[in-house]
Amino acid sequence: GENVEQHPSTLSVQEGDSAVIKCTYSDSASNYFPWYKQELGKGPQLIIDIRSNVGEKKDQRIAVTLNKTAKHFSLHITETQPEDSAVYFCAARGSYIPTFGRGTSLIVHP
Amino acid sequence: DTEVTQTPKHLVMGMTNKKSLKCEQHMGHRAMYWYKQKAKKPPELMFVYSYEKLSINESVPSRFSPECPNSSLLNLHLHALQPEDSALYLCASSQAGSPATNEKLFFGSGTQLSVL
Repeated sequence: GENVEQHPSTLSVQEGDSAVIKCTYSDSASNYFPWYKQELGKGPQLIIDIRSNVGEKKDQRIAVTLNKTAKHFSLHITETQPEDSAVYFCAARGSYIPTFGRGTSLIVHP
Repeated sequence: DTEVTQTPKHLVMGMTNKKSLKCEQHMGHRAMYWYKQKAKKPPELMFVYSYEKLSINESVPSRFSPECPNSSLLNLHLHALQPEDSALYLCASSQAGSPATNEKLFFGSGTQLSVL
């Protein structure tokens, strides 16, 4: 089955800095890569996703890049704000249910 | 309405109790899911209902019993749980009925369960 590795487990930045979270996957058949943000006391919420036929996707301050050859994808958050503090999960889906990475706790210091 | 609503938000139960968790969505989604999430861990899939029929059971112990009364409702019946079952239980839904084609998952806020 699919195996998703996510790094780092914790990321601490100053407000206004950029943050990058990286994931690798094992199943070359995976074709959909969502990112979820989970705030304290809430369920995960989809923030951006990318399909395997696209190399990059942007939505305001967040962007995701995908390198299918290397089997890795990354989340980029620019101009971070305190409200970006949360746990972020990457996931990869092939022919089955998405497999989640272990999560990254992002802390944005004012 | 783009929400998945879960009740109750918190639940404390003893090992001999029977309780139920409830999930509701009115987005017309045809697949619904139960996930279990331990602190600082990713969600773990438990069950998937597709067109109101159980399509995936990830080898979950029988003390957890899912039920899908209709296309908008999903229940999880709990009986004789163990302390290690304490966790956040998340419900999710997705538009298409086939898990193989589903993409976007919409999660509820979860039920924080404590088993004493």
